[in-house]
Amino acid sequence: AQKVTQTQTSISVMEKTTVTMDCVYETQDSSYFLFWYKQTASGEIVFLIRQDSYKKENATVGHYSLNFQKPKSSIGLIITATQIEDSAVYFCAMREDQGGRALIFGTGTTVSVSP
Amino acid sequence: GGIITQTPKFLIGQEGQKLTLKCQQNFNHDTMYWYRQDSGKGLRLIYYSITENDLQKGDLSEGYDASREKKSSFSLTVTSAQKNEMAVFLCASSTWDWVNQDTQYFGPGTRLLVL
Repeated sequence: AQKVTQTQTSISVMEKTTVTMDCVYETQDSSYFLFWYKQTASGEIVFLIRQDSYKKENATVGHYSLNFQKPKSSIGLIITATQIEDSAVYFCAMREDQGGRALIFGTGTTVSVSP
Repeated sequence: GGIITQTPKFLIGQEGQKLTLKCQQNFNHDTMYWYRQDSGKGLRLIYYSITENDLQKGDLSEGYDASREKKSSFSLTVTSAQKNEMAVFLCASSTWDWVNQDTQYFGPGTRLLVL
């Protein structure tokens, strides 16, 4: 059965530092896609970055990057040079290639960035 | 680019009432989704539709009906609202191609409260 687990409930960091959050997934499919989304205080959910399982290189978009460790079924999100606006809940999600279109979400990690 | 619009923004209902939520997208995406988010939790899939008049059940479909009237719109009906129910319903859309790989984009949500 597919499952996505985010064990860190909340993280607090100072502005301009780097924050790393973990996500572990379970899947029987050999091909899958991993996503990170950000939910702001207003409730808006924004797509941040995606990792395709067949790609060896870690995805990077702006100040977001991923640490994809396939043997450990792990996909960490790294945010560098954090800003106050990065304070949000971050969700990890997975879609299996053979699993239809459904996204399976983790429970989220709340990040608080202080000045 | 495009946007997803959800109406209403807030919905207050009575126990046993049938309630309808609407979603419109102008991305020209093929697939649309309805998710439910309970406080402090991740998103869970209720229904999705890969094309007009298509419906696929998610894990949480019991107690809900959905309708894909046309490509740009997807409705969700709570068939009998449960007392003290409180949740956010999120609509999303996606399209499959080698670049997007069904990356889902979300609307702002409808907040439901049942008295």
